[in-house]
Amino acid sequence: DSGVTQTPKHLITATGQRVTLRCSPRSGDLSVYWYQQSLDQGLQFLIHYYNGEERAKGNILERFSAQQFPDLHSELNLSSLELGDSALYFCASSVVWGWDTEAFFGQGTRLTVV
Amino acid sequence: KNEVEQSPQNLTAQEEEFITINCSYSVGISALHWLQQHPGGGIVSLFMLSSGKKKHGRLIATINIQEKHSSLHITASHPRDSAVYICAVITGNQFYFGTGTSLTVIP
Repeated sequence: DSGVTQTPKHLITATGQRVTLRCSPRSGDLSVYWYQQSLDQGLQFLIHYYNGEERAKGNILERFSAQQFPDLHSELNLSSLELGDSALYFCASSVVWGWDTEAFFGQGTRLTVV
Repeated sequence: KNEVEQSPQNLTAQEEEFITINCSYSVGISALHWLQQHPGGGIVSLFMLSSGKKKHGRLIATINIQEKHSSLHITASHPRDSAVYICAVITGNQFYFGTGTSLTVIP
């Protein structure tokens, strides 16, 4: 158990809908990272938050947004969903800003858009 | 254009074999990570490297910054090592991932 909790584990929704994925980092970790893993694109970095502030953006679509709350949990919002958004969405947390420290991954949320 | 290339894509080995997975990258990096993803999907961070060599049990990871290359070695492989191994590099604020090496170790 990495200590990072993601909910829900599975989500099936229709095209055009909006969903929210939730990530609770390990106790004491200030950084949360979101990643998307699809069959054709592999793992891709979406966005990084540190202590409530956005620190870096990767290949995140404009239809997607995220935030980190004062209690440090984070939510990834996906809207106007398309079939191609079907993927595993992972979050990871680490102690400090930056990736030169070990990060711990959640078990992922499997999103299926039908 | 792929910033990170891994080889081989697939690897089947007999138990106890010595295994090497390679990762080459084209960008300047601040760190490189090796990740392990089991069939259930969960990802575990195995190593973080910025130079030299690290060893955890039967796993050894090396990096050559000048040649922009890293290797992950597994000694005395075991069926429980069967997983996808992913190389990830960090440059600035960006993260790039290899497509992974799927390893199957046969008893």
